[in-house]
Amino acid sequence: EVQLVESGGGLVKPGRSLRLSCETSGFTFTDHAMSWFRQAPGKGLEWVGFVRTKVSGGTADYAPSVKGRFIISRDDSKSITDLQMNGLKTEDTGVYYCTAGVAVAWGQGTLVTVSS
Amino acid sequence: DVVMTQSPLSLPVTLGQAASISCRSSRSLVHSDGSTYLNWFQQRPGQSPRRLIFKISNRDPGVPDRFSGSGSGTDFTLKISRVEAEDVGVYYCMQGTHWPLSFGPGTKVEIK
Repeated sequence: EVQLVESGGGLVKPGRSLRLSCETSGFTFTDHAMSWFRQAPGKGLEWVGFVRTKVSGGTADYAPSVKGRFIISRDDSKSITDLQMNGLKTEDTGVYYCTAGVAVAWGQGTLVTVSS
Repeated sequence: DVVMTQSPLSLPVTLGQAASISCRSSRSLVHSDGSTYLNWFQQRPGQSPRRLIFKISNRDPGVPDRFSGSGSGTDFTLKISRVEAEDVGVYYCMQGTHWPLSFGPGTKVEIK
């Protein structure tokens, strides 16, 4: 069974940093790109970014709203993907989800609240 | 950026009746590789999203066959042939052809 478990969410002040992690199991991690999405309270879904497989170069792409502030990485030895969020803004508040591939299988999400 | 629109935004349906959701993109979703990366997602109340359909019309494993997807180019449709109580939630279309990936605003399906 495919499982994705996000962690690391919490309350953080504007301008600070936070690192989310996504532990995975039940599939061959090295074969899949990993993506992050978010959902502001009561709002729709937004793509944050994704990291390619090592075979495809291991590079990442980001939504314009987070480019230059967020960094997605992967550790194939541990089947984990991380989302490093810097320079957080109040509009970054929401539930953050990691997915296998591009939105194929989703985790339960972790809530990030950016507020002073 | 590709803008995705959906209609209706709210869809009250009677149990056992059919339901249809339209999704339109601001530009063609046909990729240079020939595929059309249009997906549909269901988000039940209090739950994570779940992918139902990929590449216009392919159901994901475990998705009931009462869900079907169709369309081409810029116009797409999700149909539920006979709505059941467990189908209540918000449905999103998402395009994966052009960067950045983008979602429609969502259609809330509720039981009359």
